[in-house]
Amino acid sequence: AQSVTQLGSHVSVSEGALVLLRCNYSSSVPPYLFWYVQYPNQGLQLLLKYTTGATLVKGINGFEAEFKKSETSFHLTKPSAHMSDAAEYFCAVSETNNDMRFGAGTRLTVKP
Amino acid sequence: NAGVMQNPRHLVRRRGQEARLRCSPMKGHSHVYWYRQLPEEGLKFMVYLQKENIIDESGMPKERFSAEFPKEGPSILRIQQVVRGDSAAYFCASAEGQNTEAFFGQGTRLTVV
Repeated sequence: AQSVTQLGSHVSVSEGALVLLRCNYSSSVPPYLFWYVQYPNQGLQLLLKYTTGATLVKGINGFEAEFKKSETSFHLTKPSAHMSDAAEYFCAVSETNNDMRFGAGTRLTVKP
Repeated sequence: NAGVMQNPRHLVRRRGQEARLRCSPMKGHSHVYWYRQLPEEGLKFMVYLQKENIIDESGMPKERFSAEFPKEGPSILRIQQVVRGDSAAYFCASAEGQNTEAFFGQGTRLTVV
């Protein structure tokens, strides 16, 4: 069975600083990996996903993530944080393209 | 093509009542997933359904919770005799088939008073 661990339930960065949200996964088959963002009282919006091919995946809003099989990781990064990036971020793994299992989430705070 | 529609968006129930949450998948989608988000927790998988079939209900509590996805109409998540601990946001997602992208609804926020 697949599972996800997100390290750090809260991450705080200054505006303009690097954002790094960590995600490690466990899967018995080559995984599909996802990052979703959730703004307060909203649903989930897909930021990016890895299926096959290039291991560096670029998503919306300047985010990207790199699939590292040897480290079983799929960390999310953004070079320069913006105030509007403050939200909750969820990493998810799936053995297909849609039957996802989520991590506990990381709440990102951006300080002015 | 409308997105995944969940209704109601907000639902208040007294302890002991029944809650019915509806999820209308996107047109052409026959796979539905339900997730529960408890305060300060992540999304927990509950159940995966295809039309008229429950594929995986490993995340569903054994009692009081049930789900269906009939041939016609929306998927329904039903919670009987609700308790305060059922207060959460319930999200559904739909997909056209296996190996196709899933899309999420806006969620139903259930409050049990």
